[in-house]
Amino acid sequence: QVQLVQSGAEVKKPGSSVKVSCKASGGTFGTYAVNWVRQAPGQGLEWMGGIIPVISTIHYAQRFQGRVTITADRSTTTAYMELSSLTSEDTAVYFCARAPTFAGGLDFWGQGTLVTVSS
Amino acid sequence: DIVMTQSPLSLPVTPGEPASISCRSSQSLLKNNKYNFLDWYLQKPGQPPQLLIHLGSNRASGVPDRFSGSGSGTDFTLKISRVEAEDVGVYFCMQALQTPYTFGQGTKLEIK
Repeated sequence: QVQLVQSGAEVKKPGSSVKVSCKASGGTFGTYAVNWVRQAPGQGLEWMGGIIPVISTIHYAQRFQGRVTITADRSTTTAYMELSSLTSEDTAVYFCARAPTFAGGLDFWGQGTLVTVSS
Repeated sequence: DIVMTQSPLSLPVTPGEPASISCRSSQSLLKNNKYNFLDWYLQKPGQPPQLLIHLGSNRASGVPDRFSGSGSGTDFTLKISRVEAEDVGVYFCMQALQTPYTFGQGTKLEIK
């Protein structure tokens, strides 16, 4: 069974960076797209970007361009999302989610990582 | 970016009764005259979203057949034939025609 296990909650200062990990097991890591989606408290879902590790294809949402970096380590079957220049508006739960390609169908999700940005 | 608009935003339903959620996109999600790049997700309280419907009408693995998706182009509908208590949560549509993927605002289904 596919599982995506994310790193634990983080508390960060404004202006700093956070790096969230997403370890995959039970599937063929690398050939799937790993997407990152965030959800601010009480709000909807926002897609940030994604990566297909085996072909090193990465897409970012324009509004995060320059602030977000998505990487993957095939040897450890782990994907990462790093967000820099944090503000209070980045306080959210960050999810990783797997899809067969960049065509939707996010079929397995991580449990979510709460990132709180506070001075 | 493609804008996704859902209605209603709140949906109280009596168990056993049907329910329907509408999702409209600002541009057609139909590609190659064949596939509609529209997904439906359910987020139960305190959980990550779960995939219900992919490509407009294909139920994901393990999803009960009381859930169905229909529509094409810019207008889509998620139907639940008979609502059960376990169906409570927020339903989102998401377009996957192009990045950035974008979601509807969400429809909160609650039991009357």
